[in-house]
Amino acid sequence: DAGITQSPRYKITETGRQVTLMCHQTWSHSYMFWYRQDLGHGLRLIYYSAAADITDKGEVPDGYVVSRSKTENFPLTLESATRSQTSVYFCASSESGVGKTQYFGPGTRLLVL
Amino acid sequence: AQRVTQPEKLLSVFKGAPVELKCNYSYSGSPELFWYVQYSRQRLQLLLRHISRESIKGFTADLNKGETSFHLKKPFAQEEDSAMYYCALVRNAGNMLTFGGGTRLMVKP
Repeated sequence: DAGITQSPRYKITETGRQVTLMCHQTWSHSYMFWYRQDLGHGLRLIYYSAAADITDKGEVPDGYVVSRSKTENFPLTLESATRSQTSVYFCASSESGVGKTQYFGPGTRLLVL
Repeated sequence: AQRVTQPEKLLSVFKGAPVELKCNYSYSGSPELFWYVQYSRQRLQLLLRHISRESIKGFTADLNKGETSFHLKKPFAQEEDSAMYYCALVRNAGNMLTFGGGTRLMVKP
């Protein structure tokens, strides 16, 4: 479990500010994912990456930007935070291949005031 | 479109009682389904997958293609089973999961 970490664990910001959530994994997994967890919605995929420099949109990408210059890092940026982006954000990683187990980070609780 | 539905947001049972957490899905193809669990103060983790046809911590889940269901069952609930349970479906390509809304299981002593 310690192989995937997220920072910060808690963040309070204001509407309109830019926020970056970090995700780091030590397994050299090719796939990385960002989800947001909201009551009643379960987890929804924001963005994913199949490899370094390859990213693609998930279900709810609007208002978010990702990059993946290195295999081990997958930062998520909220360009101009909105209150609707208050959520718990989870990063996950997996080996390549359909159905491979996804390993989740501890989550980042973000509050946008 | 793929969709996973967990109709119960909260399920409360007594210790020793049988448990069934419901999961229904819609998917045009051969589905691959999972149950993930999040215990209090722990990370979300894989509980079981239908392909393995295994029993983990006494839980089993059978894929019923006719009813498009993948219900999670345990004959005798334990207090340590209290957690948030998510049913998930993997998409066609890559390894992207579509999650249900989750069911919180509370096992009372």
